[in-house]
Amino acid sequence: GENVEQHPSTLSVQEGDSAVIKCTYSDSASNYFPWYKQELGKGPQLIIDIRSNVGEKKDQRIAVTLNKTAKHFSLHITETQPEDSAVYFCAASNPSNYQLIWGAGTKLIIKP
Amino acid sequence: DGGITQSPKYLFRKEGQNVTLSCEQNLNHDAMYWYRQDPGQGLRLIYYSQIVNDFQKGDIAEGYSVSREKKESFPLTVTSAQKNPTAFYLCASSGQSNQPQHFGDGTRLSIL
Repeated sequence: GENVEQHPSTLSVQEGDSAVIKCTYSDSASNYFPWYKQELGKGPQLIIDIRSNVGEKKDQRIAVTLNKTAKHFSLHITETQPEDSAVYFCAASNPSNYQLIWGAGTKLIIKP
Repeated sequence: DGGITQSPKYLFRKEGQNVTLSCEQNLNHDAMYWYRQDPGQGLRLIYYSQIVNDFQKGDIAEGYSVSREKKESFPLTVTSAQKNPTAFYLCASSGQSNQPQHFGDGTRLSIL
């Protein structure tokens, strides 16, 4: 079945710098890849998603890139701000039943 | 405002007791999901429902039960058969199975 690996588990960056989180997936038939942000004590919030028919999608300071050949996708956050500090999760859609398979999460720390 | 409401926010269970977690949505979504989140791990699917009066087991359904009698509601019962129930439980919904999932703010279950 589908497996999603996420790296790094913790990422610390200086405020204003960029942050990149990477995920790999195993099933080449997966076709939907969302990214979620989770703050302490809250549920995950969808921040951006991409489908397999495009290679890149951008929304203000956030972008996601997808490499179907290598089976990996990445989240890019530019000009990081203190409110970007959170845990970020990637996921891939299991093509057999459309259920999401989740990465283990990345704790992003923005240093002032 | 449209959204997903989970209650209670905190719940304590005694040995041998069944407890029920509530999840209500007013987004008119067909699909609903229950996930379990343990520290440092990704989300694991317990049960999901694509339509009223129908639901399927996820990856870790043992010791849990659900019902879907109304479109808006998808309660989760943690039975006494679940030997390690301490976790953060998240409910989500989506318009259909391959559409973005929206989450509630979770219920934290602990053992007395």
